[in-house]
Amino acid sequence: ETGVTQTPRHLVMGMTNKKSLKCEQHLGHNAMYWYKQSAKKPLELMFVYNFKEQTENNSVPSRFSPECPNSSHLFLHLHTLQPEDSALYLCASSQARLALTYNEQFFGPGTRLTVL
Amino acid sequence: KQEVTQIPAALSVPEGENLVLNCSFTDSAIYNLQWFRQDPGKGLTSLLLIQSSQREQTSGRLNASLDKSSGRSTLYIAASQPGDSATYLCAVTVDGANNLFFGTGTRLTVIP
Repeated sequence: ETGVTQTPRHLVMGMTNKKSLKCEQHLGHNAMYWYKQSAKKPLELMFVYNFKEQTENNSVPSRFSPECPNSSHLFLHLHTLQPEDSALYLCASSQARLALTYNEQFFGPGTRLTVL
Repeated sequence: KQEVTQIPAALSVPEGENLVLNCSFTDSAIYNLQWFRQDPGKGLTSLLLIQSSQREQTSGRLNASLDKSSGRSTLYIAASQPGDSATYLCAVTVDGANNLFFGTGTRLTVIP
């Protein structure tokens, strides 16, 4: 596997279910990101992890719970979601930001989530 | 808060035409601007990255320009091909952060 992979690619869940999205990067990066892409809305940053530490939470509801056990893996745990949470969830990785430089982000293919 | 707008939302052109996609942003204090391509069922692919001190970047048939003071960028695609059909996203980063602010994209269809 190369680049950034995400599983599953498609997920349908009920509002009472608990599920997890997985992201894995094979690029040797140490920063990882979760984005949400809803229909007709811009991509929204949800969470940022640098060296396994969460450095950004963009006012995301607590029904979304991220986990970063190591620099290569990122999870998004989902519970009691709402239908409006249906979206494409994209993971990205980059080198961690150590100075005032931008490090290019590489994106995975996304998980298409449908909440019934 | 930085807001990024892309016009048009959708565009159809016959194969071989040159075309321009537009991106505007509300806060000119950007660090850089990036153009991405998104294919259905796939993630984002970076096309061009323009630093705030640069005016343009070129890659093959693609040319991106940046006018930071007016808050605008354009992506020029020369001699379009059916394989160029995709959604094109513009994103900016602001000083002091590594976070990307995205536009809603332009869905391009190149008709053979």
